[in-house]
Amino acid sequence: GAVVSQHPSRVICKSGTSVKIECRSLDFQATTMFWYRQFPKQSLMLMATSNEGSKATYEQGVEKDKFLINHASLTLSTLTVTSAHPEDSSFYICSARTSGRTGTGELFFGEGSRLTVL
Amino acid sequence: GQSLEQPSEVTAVEGAIVQINCTYQTSGFYGLSWYQQHDGGAPTFLSYNALDGLEETGRFSSFLSRSDSYGYLLLQELQMKDSASYFCAVIGNTGKLIFGQGTTLQVKP
Repeated sequence: GAVVSQHPSRVICKSGTSVKIECRSLDFQATTMFWYRQFPKQSLMLMATSNEGSKATYEQGVEKDKFLINHASLTLSTLTVTSAHPEDSSFYICSARTSGRTGTGELFFGEGSRLTVL
Repeated sequence: GQSLEQPSEVTAVEGAIVQINCTYQTSGFYGLSWYQQHDGGAPTFLSYNALDGLEETGRFSSFLSRSDSYGYLLLQELQMKDSASYFCAVIGNTGKLIFGQGTTLQVKP
């Protein structure tokens, strides 16, 4: 299957700082990438959808100014958590879909990034 | 909108068969997927059903009934390593994959 790499896997930061998480598709071009957030023992909640070269589409309730998403190329999307606070501590997971698999329901997931804000 | 329901927990013994059900409501429907997630890990794709019927992949099978808005994941010959969370997810007319709350499967010796 296709490989999606996410970095960093773990990050600890101080409250008020910004953190950038990278998501790369290593062996395919990802026209669409999705960012999910998962709290312990809970489901994956879709935060936003990013398409290469255009602005991300955010889900209701997700602050676009706080969670900046950039999808500058077909292999890279970044999520920046700005002015992080302890309540932003969570597991952030990116996923990607190839252009040829739009209707298959198969997403390729990164390894996830566990953010802890002190 | 979209909503999915699945049991929160299921327990079974090694070697047994377990079925995890999922019912859904969605605006438009393209298909039902199943994902496995071990503690601390990322979800991994198990199966996808777009049409009614049973899809078999090794020890895992997935079933879909579009008329009943219902599907299930069947795990056979359970192994300890199958202990994980299992999520059903649907694609509706938005093209987004929306996940259920997940079912925690505990396999006991």
